[in-house]
Amino acid sequence: GIQVEQSPPDLILQEGANSTLRCNFSDSVNNLQWFHQNPWGQLINLFYIPSGTKQNGRLSATTVATERYSLLYISSSQTTDSGVYFCAVDRLNSNYQLIWGAGTKLIIKP
Amino acid sequence: ETGVTQTPRHLVMGMTNKKSLKCEQHLGHNAMYWYKQSAKKPLELMFVYSLEERVENNSVPSRFSPECPNSSHLFLHLHTLQPEDSALYLCASSQFSNYGYTFGSGTRLTVV
Repeated sequence: GIQVEQSPPDLILQEGANSTLRCNFSDSVNNLQWFHQNPWGQLINLFYIPSGTKQNGRLSATTVATERYSLLYISSSQTTDSGVYFCAVDRLNSNYQLIWGAGTKLIIKP
Repeated sequence: ETGVTQTPRHLVMGMTNKKSLKCEQHLGHNAMYWYKQSAKKPLELMFVYSLEERVENNSVPSRFSPECPNSSHLFLHLHTLQPEDSALYLCASSQFSNYGYTFGSGTRLTVV
């Protein structure tokens, strides 16, 4: 099956810094999503991005489907950005199954 | 508030107890999901319902029993659980297959 690998596993930054999180996937996918899970467990969908680039405020994401990776950029980090960032893909011809990465745990220090 | 509500937020139960987790969505979504999240592990999809019919059942032990009485409600019935079943149980809904995913806040379950 498809493997989804995220890097780095942990990242500690000072408030105001920029960061890049990476998601690699081992096979062609139908779609890719980025999620943020805050320290209280709430998961929020950030981007639905099968290809190309999207931006939402200080966050942007780029997926290069032909090279099987996606990047999540966080600029001017704030302490509220802390949490775990997950990448999830769904396979071609496989409805409802999302394959999840193990996540990148981000800690933003004030 | 994300539009998907889960109750209770926390649950402690003994191995002989029977309890139920509840999930409710009013987003007009047509698919609902149960996930299990254990420490240091990726999210595990347990069950998927689309238009109230179960479409996925990922080899989940029979001590977990889902129920979807209508498109807005999803239950997870628990009985004779084991301590290793302690985890965060997340409910989600989506408009179509995997599109517009919205999660609830989760139920943190502890089996003693």
